[in-house]
Amino acid sequence: EAGVTQFPSHSVIEKGQTVTLRCDPISGHDNLYWYRRVMGKEIKFLLHFVKESKQDESGMPNNRFLAERTGGTYSTLKVQPAELEDSGVYFCASSQVAGQSSYNEQFFGPGTRLTVL
Amino acid sequence: RKEVEQDPGPFNVPEGATVAFNCTYSNSASQSFFWYRQDCRKEPKLLMSVYSSGNEDGRFTAQLNRASQYISLLIRDSKLSDSATYLCAVNMAGGYQKVTFGTGTKLQVIP
Repeated sequence: EAGVTQFPSHSVIEKGQTVTLRCDPISGHDNLYWYRRVMGKEIKFLLHFVKESKQDESGMPNNRFLAERTGGTYSTLKVQPAELEDSGVYFCASSQVAGQSSYNEQFFGPGTRLTVL
Repeated sequence: RKEVEQDPGPFNVPEGATVAFNCTYSNSASQSFFWYRQDCRKEPKLLMSVYSSGNEDGRFTAQLNRASQYISLLIRDSKLSDSATYLCAVNMAGGYQKVTFGTGTKLQVIP
């Protein structure tokens, strides 16, 4: 079974540009999460989708970040315009359908390393 | 106070040694607990979920102490391949909510 995949693996952009990250969760996983790790800090939650609905977006830093999950399959995270402090590794994770496990084991993708110059 | 705290290490141990990591959490209502392993420049990989009764998987044992609000990970007979950063993660609200990570504990197993 394929794991969580993310694209691109690396992105280097200039301040003010736009970048769109993509995540494909494990097939059949309704829950999709975005996390971010900036250098030297812990991994921090950004938002959570259940199917196509945003369940929790309390971790989104500001309105320059826009996440979508049209159709409840893959998700995109767009940063527009990018700022220097947006640099970091963006991880996507997914977990299985609600009700099948109360333990919510999340499986992570390889991440997108974003550098804003 | 951070929601999830870990000693960053590094822990340098010889091959074959037993090593233990602790992780404390601040929210007494936390529901579920995990240990992830993260290799350099890679994604976190789920190592173990931590159940109330404690659980073991080969050389790895995880324990939960709700009264003192900490979880632990014990690695027996350390291998060189165990060298990595071990992340503690806590689901504060239960269900399918976010997990909150600690900063991780770095382990280096030395030949």
